[in-house]
Amino acid sequence: DTAVSQTPKYLVTQMGNDKSIKCEQNLGHDTMYWYKQDSKKFLKIMFSYNNKELIINETVPNRFSPKSPDKAHLNLHINSLELGDSAVYFCASSKRGLYTGELFFGEGSRLTVL
Amino acid sequence: KQEVTQIPAALSVPEGENLVLNCSFTDSAIYNLQWFRQDPGKGLTSLLLIQSSQREQTSGRLNASLDKSSGRSTLYIAASQPGDSATYLCAVRYSTSYDKVIFGPGTSLSVIP
Repeated sequence: DTAVSQTPKYLVTQMGNDKSIKCEQNLGHDTMYWYKQDSKKFLKIMFSYNNKELIINETVPNRFSPKSPDKAHLNLHINSLELGDSAVYFCASSKRGLYTGELFFGEGSRLTVL
Repeated sequence: KQEVTQIPAALSVPEGENLVLNCSFTDSAIYNLQWFRQDPGKGLTSLLLIQSSQREQTSGRLNASLDKSSGRSTLYIAASQPGDSATYLCAVRYSTSYDKVIFGPGTSLSVIP
């Protein structure tokens, strides 16, 4: 039973297109995240949501628009894709509270922009 | 600036050796620190989570320690096996930016049979 699941796993698209990645967690967590892993494998936070509210927006271009319909889901929509958007996008979740905060990750969505 | 660094960037050891991976952070006010493993082309698997009040955590052949005053954590792997080959990532949840977990660049480990 997958804890954090992302779809699709692979995306290949042309420059200028719009694409979405979906994420769902069944852990009952209240905080969800999007991370980007670039070609050098460095993981950088993009967004953090707590109970559907945006908490962190780490100077991401406004072509990237996250949306959290409920606290179990966090989607990422990307407009006007550019070559530099090619990366692996990871969704994660965690629970707030004392002695918690452990991050759980999805398998990643590999985006290739041609 | 709150940063996380990891040394070495890459490590190659013969099977059976004990090894230590290092993680450094710039601010001692942390909430927790988490070690992950990432296999090529795969997601991140959580190995150990150390809360701020703890000094170490153990799971099987893995032992992670935390020294907040010196801004360091180590991941000790005993009796390494080829299956331990992966990239190991350290992630820090700073107290003053709770929702922004910061990752180190990782250590790429190869265990040679």
